[in-house]
Amino acid sequence: DAGVIQSPRHEVTEMGQEVTLRCKPISGHNSLFWYRQTMMRGLELLIYFNNNVPIDDSGMPEDRFSAKMPNASFSTLKIQPSEPRDSAVYFCASSSGWENTEAFFGQGTRLTVV
Amino acid sequence: GQQLNQSPQSMFIQEGEDVSMNCTSSSIFNTWLWYKQEPGEGPVLLIALYKAGELTSNGRLTAQFGITRKDSFLNISASIPSDVGIYFCAGQRGSQGNLIFGKGTKLSVKP
Repeated sequence: DAGVIQSPRHEVTEMGQEVTLRCKPISGHNSLFWYRQTMMRGLELLIYFNNNVPIDDSGMPEDRFSAKMPNASFSTLKIQPSEPRDSAVYFCASSSGWENTEAFFGQGTRLTVV
Repeated sequence: GQQLNQSPQSMFIQEGEDVSMNCTSSSIFNTWLWYKQEPGEGPVLLIALYKAGELTSNGRLTAQFGITRKDSFLNISASIPSDVGIYFCAGQRGSQGNLIFGKGTKLSVKP
């Protein structure tokens, strides 16, 4: 199994630009999570999906952030417009069930907004 | 909101020494997980604990789910240089799928 695949690994963009992060969960997993990691705040849950449906998006910082999961094998996290304070490492994780908390993480996307 | 207090923040130890770190919470959790993260990588699951009082080992790693369900510890015995990384505890409350993470313990091992 290839594990959770995220792209790109690194993204540098100018303030105001739209950024799209992509995630392919492990095949067969039906829960998907987006996390943000910073030095100051650690790992924070942004949103999670179960069976492609958003269950809890209370961690999404503001309306500039949106996430979609059009099918079981793909999800996107979009920031529009991006700001320097969005700079962080964004992780996608998946798990095999609603109550199965053994989430497996991708390698992350390091986003830098200048 | 829910918070996990993880300590210590960092540790500098000699190869061969044992290591202990812990997490505490003001809330009860039904599940405790321990992850390790290496530079440039995502967190990797080490141990999962599902019952209060449970003690589980994974090689040189041992973790316990506290009786009060508000704490957990991770021990690493006979540390080696490849144990270097950041160790995170994570807890799940109720039946929801989301995890709350501690701030991590950064482990450095001197050969």
